[in-house]
Amino acid sequence: QVQLQESGPGLVKPSQTLSLTCTVSGGSINSGSYYWSWIRHPAGKGLEWIGRIYTGGKTSYNPSLRSRVTVSIDTSENQFSLRLTSMTAADTAMYYCARTYFDSSGFNFDLWGRGTLVTVSS
Amino acid sequence: DIQMTQSPSSLSASVGDRVTITCRASQSIGKYLSWYQQKSGKAPNLLISAASRLQSGVPSRFSGSGSGADFTLTITNLQPEDFATYYCHQSYSALTFGQGTKVDLK
Repeated sequence: QVQLQESGPGLVKPSQTLSLTCTVSGGSINSGSYYWSWIRHPAGKGLEWIGRIYTGGKTSYNPSLRSRVTVSIDTSENQFSLRLTSMTAADTAMYYCARTYFDSSGFNFDLWGRGTLVTVSS
Repeated sequence: DIQMTQSPSSLSASVGDRVTITCRASQSIGKYLSWYQQKSGKAPNLLISAASRLQSGVPSRFSGSGSGADFTLTITNLQPEDFATYYCHQSYSALTFGQGTKVDLK
């Protein structure tokens, strides 16, 4: 079955750029009409959607993060990636990648990676 | 942004109880509302979409209702595996989540 796995550094220094990759296994990232999203969860707080990309390359971002976020996709590697610039302690969180579908009920996240903890500290 | 407010933020319940969690949107979102369950140390799991559509494999003791700005998640006959944190999520515009409701053992 399809699985998602996040990878990237667990520790990032303040002001640096975070780069995470989500590898899709057990199926093609191109199959079906799916979007691919990044979501984060700071400790003790609620979930926050970061952004998504469609296999055709169209992106959509959380307005509060738009100036710092880039989501990209590499269909040849079956991966999609997150780039978040100017990291601060407020960006410390568990970062999840998630498969996203759109239907009459809107956007929903039906398959998630296990998450990767990113800490921002010098 | 559309703000999603869940209540209560936490509750204590016993196995077999009926549990109700509410979610209120800062504006009408139609039925663009879903519910997720997150167990400790795990990724969230989609339970309900379109306010009341149970996802495949989700036990029928879970149900959702509501439209517009007010929504409810109900768990009847609470089971040990249901102790978790529950989030509502709107996709009417610029996706946002509620702050979560933690259900723990009384």
